[in-house]
Amino acid sequence: DIQMTQSPSSLSASVGDRVTITCQATQDITIFLNWYQQKPGKAPKLLIYDASNLETGVSSRFSGSGSGTDFSLTISGLQPEDVATYYCQQYDRPPYTFGQGTKLEIK
Amino acid sequence: EVQLVESGGGLVQPGGSLRLSCAASGFTFSDYYMEWIRQAPGKGLEWVGRIRNKANSHTTDYAASVKGRFTISRDDSKNSLYLQMNSLRSEDTAIYYCVRTNGAFDVWGHGTLVTVSS
Repeated sequence: DIQMTQSPSSLSASVGDRVTITCQATQDITIFLNWYQQKPGKAPKLLIYDASNLETGVSSRFSGSGSGTDFSLTISGLQPEDVATYYCQQYDRPPYTFGQGTKLEIK
Repeated sequence: EVQLVESGGGLVQPGGSLRLSCAASGFTFSDYYMEWIRQAPGKGLEWVGRIRNKANSHTTDYAASVKGRFTISRDDSKNSLYLQMNSLRSEDTAIYYCVRTNGAFDVWGHGTLVTVSS
């Protein structure tokens, strides 16, 4: 199975900051990597698909990059509504594994 | 509006069975692959399994943790997805999400809670 490792597990940043979350796969998954945002008590929401494509309706403050085994999610101009847990997920082959999550808080 | 609504969750004893349903609306259900994904209390997301569309013979894949105990099925005439869960264990306690696949998991239901406890 492909394992996905996110870093950091949690972070605290100030409004307006630029934050980056990384995700590493144990095998080459080309660009078959998605990012999700989950707010407390809610279902996850797709943010980025195919490593760098912004889902329709998602703020352009979110961006993704990477290929192969190393990926990142960047949030520019952090806003209070960005408080959430973020997950990466590979869909190169089953089982379609998720990272362990990164919990983002506002200072 | 594209929507997925799960139902059927509840409290069940270890070793018991439960069938979850998911009603889809707002899109051509039969065209899409569908997934079940779960989240144990306070934990991360775990993929449970997938069922492909009719064009791909409704074939299924499962996570190792549920293979042989869970069965995913669909009724395209009713725009519905199902998860039959047998031989339930305490570690199956989770919120179960019905999810549409369009490459990425692009539409999620609100989830239904399954609690396995005596």
